Amino acid sequence: GAVVSQHPSWVICKSGTSVKIECRSLDFQATTMFWYRQFPKQSLMLMATSNEGSKATYEQGVEKDKFLINHASLTLSTLTVTSAHPEDSSFYICSAKSYSGANVLTFGAGSRLTVL
Amino acid sequence: GEDVEQSLFLSVREGDSSVINCTYTDSSSTYLYWYKQEPGAGLQLLTYIFSNMDMKQDQRLTVLLNKKDKHLSLRIADTQTGDSAIYFCAEDGSARQLTFGSGTQLTVLP
Repeated sequence: GAVVSQHPSWVICKSGTSVKIECRSLDFQATTMFWYRQFPKQSLMLMATSNEGSKATYEQGVEKDKFLINHASLTLSTLTVTSAHPEDSSFYICSAKSYSGANVLTFGAGSRLTVL
Repeated sequence: GEDVEQSLFLSVREGDSSVINCTYTDSSSTYLYWYKQEPGAGLQLLTYIFSNMDMKQDQRLTVLLNKKDKHLSLRIADTQTGDSAIYFCAEDGSARQLTFGSGTQLTVLP
């Protein structure tokens, strides 16, 4: 079945540094990937839609310069949290649409970011 | 806008049936989905139902859809401790993006 790999699964960084999270579709091509943020005991908040070969579409209230998204190939999208601060600490999850029928998404395992 | 609502918590005894309920507002949804999230993990698709269906059964899982009332439910038969997780319903409405509910924390008691 469709598999989405997300890396790293957890990362701790100092305030002011940048962190890159990778999302790969392992056995299928994904022209569109999605990035979510999840706070403890809360639902997923869609941050942006990543489109292969073009600019990402950001949801209202999400800072484009803060959360840089690059979708350079059909199997890889990256999210870079720039100049991270403690309030950016969260669980970030990516997903990709794995086939063209139902709008079924395959999710990565998530990346836990802790900013000190 | 689109809105999906679920109750936050449900506790059942092992072996009993669990019923998780969800309501949504967007009548243009094509599919409705149930995802499961275990602690510290991503979401796993459990099942989905096409909007013109009333019911779908897959082993221990039964999905019921009342399109008139915009109500979706997930029944888990013979609930096991491994079923303890957060369950999210989602719909793909007019925006063609998934809108998730707040998630229902299912706790299975021995």
